[in-house]
Amino acid sequence: EVQLVQSGAEVNEPGESLKISCKGSGYTFPTYWIAWVRQMPGKGLDWMGIIYPGDSSTRYSPSFQGQVTISADRSISTAYLQWSSLKASDTAIYYCARTYFYHNSGQFYYYMDVWGKGTTVTVSS
Amino acid sequence: QSVLTQPPSASGTPGQRVTISCSGNSSNIGRNTVNWYQQLPGTAPKLLISNSNQRPSGVPDRFSGSKSGTSASLAISGLQSEDEADYYCAAWDDSLNGHVFGTGTKVTVL
Repeated sequence: EVQLVQSGAEVNEPGESLKISCKGSGYTFPTYWIAWVRQMPGKGLDWMGIIYPGDSSTRYSPSFQGQVTISADRSISTAYLQWSSLKASDTAIYYCARTYFYHNSGQFYYYMDVWGKGTTVTVSS
Repeated sequence: QSVLTQPPSASGTPGQRVTISCSGNSSNIGRNTVNWYQQLPGTAPKLLISNSNQRPSGVPDRFSGSKSGTSASLAISGLQSEDEADYYCAAWDDSLNGHVFGTGTKVTVL
């Protein structure tokens, strides 16, 4: 069974650093992109960026570029999302998702077919 | 900062057909495929439609997707109580060089 298992809920203070994880199983982890998606309380979905664990290529949303770092360790089939200095506005649920992403005949094909259950991050003093 | 626009809500009685629209532009829906995701209360999103009109294995054929120009639609036929959820369209945006979600539509079964 294809699964993405995310790390547990976090409660942190503003200014702290944080790294959350997403471990894939049941498929060849390096050969699929992994996306990170934010959902703030009561709000919609925000795409943050993607990483290809095979070579660690990354793409970030302009809204999140410089605000977070996406990384992966293919040897343990795990992707990461990290912050160097959390803000209260980072309070949200963060989902990882296995992603198909390719370009063919002039158009991009992109969809997320398997999702983790989410990691709740609460930033409060 | 959603660039894909959806109606905030839609509703119907059991058995009815409900359609949700998704409006974009020439950089996203006009050029690339569209996906739809269903998010039941308190759960992670689930892929409902990929590549504009393809249902992943396990998704009931009551759900169908279509795309025309810079707009897309999700239709739910034979509406059931378990279809009460938030629905999001999404597509790659060439101008932003990233993926964008729609504003989301809450479907209520009356």
